[in-house]
Amino acid sequence: SQQGEEDPQALSIQEGENATMNCSYKTSINNLQWYRQNSGRGLVHLILIRSNEREKHSGRLRVTLDTSKKSSSLLITASRAADTASYFCATRYDYKLSFGAGTTVTVRA
Amino acid sequence: DAGVIQSPRHEVTEMGQEVTLRCKLISGHNSLFWYRQTMMRGLELLIYFNNNVPIDDSGMPEDRFSAKMPNASFSTLKIQPSEPRDSAVYFCASSPGLAERGELFFGEGSRLTVL
Repeated sequence: SQQGEEDPQALSIQEGENATMNCSYKTSINNLQWYRQNSGRGLVHLILIRSNEREKHSGRLRVTLDTSKKSSSLLITASRAADTASYFCATRYDYKLSFGAGTTVTVRA
Repeated sequence: DAGVIQSPRHEVTEMGQEVTLRCKLISGHNSLFWYRQTMMRGLELLIYFNNNVPIDDSGMPEDRFSAKMPNASFSTLKIQPSEPRDSAVYFCASSPGLAERGELFFGEGSRLTVL
């Protein structure tokens, strides 16, 4: 079963614009992770934020975490056509990594 | 390192046939996860191994599914007999260890179609 819910389900933006997607979850976590999946490929880890962190940056990615609201957001700045993919949030508690349904992002050239 | 390697990448079989999916972990990783991805249910954890021992198989759908880790670097997921509702993409993923609770490294997946 899926732990998180992502919003929106799909997002279409112009190259150069920012993309923001949100994730809500229900239970306690050790950390929250974001993954990217290109069509027909496996999942690739993007960024991890621990439960005691509020914000983290990696290149063009910015992730926030609000444990009081059980929510996270992923911002991709200055999007490129190569960012077209599905993005999944995943909550980790102990060994278990539980995935949301994903946000499909299309970046138009 | 070549990453997590899965085979076959695509499998088409008929209902009732046995299917075996294979996974080679990244060297040095001792945690292994099998996930199934479908449009309806998303990514579901099927089974988790640590140091070759199955720790949590609560996600395995039914007795038709079995998974093994005969050694530290290799795992199989077997479906016998297969049914059309087993059609999905099956991923294995590995991680260095439990303590870090870090990222998982996924293979490219095995797309199974059961006719």
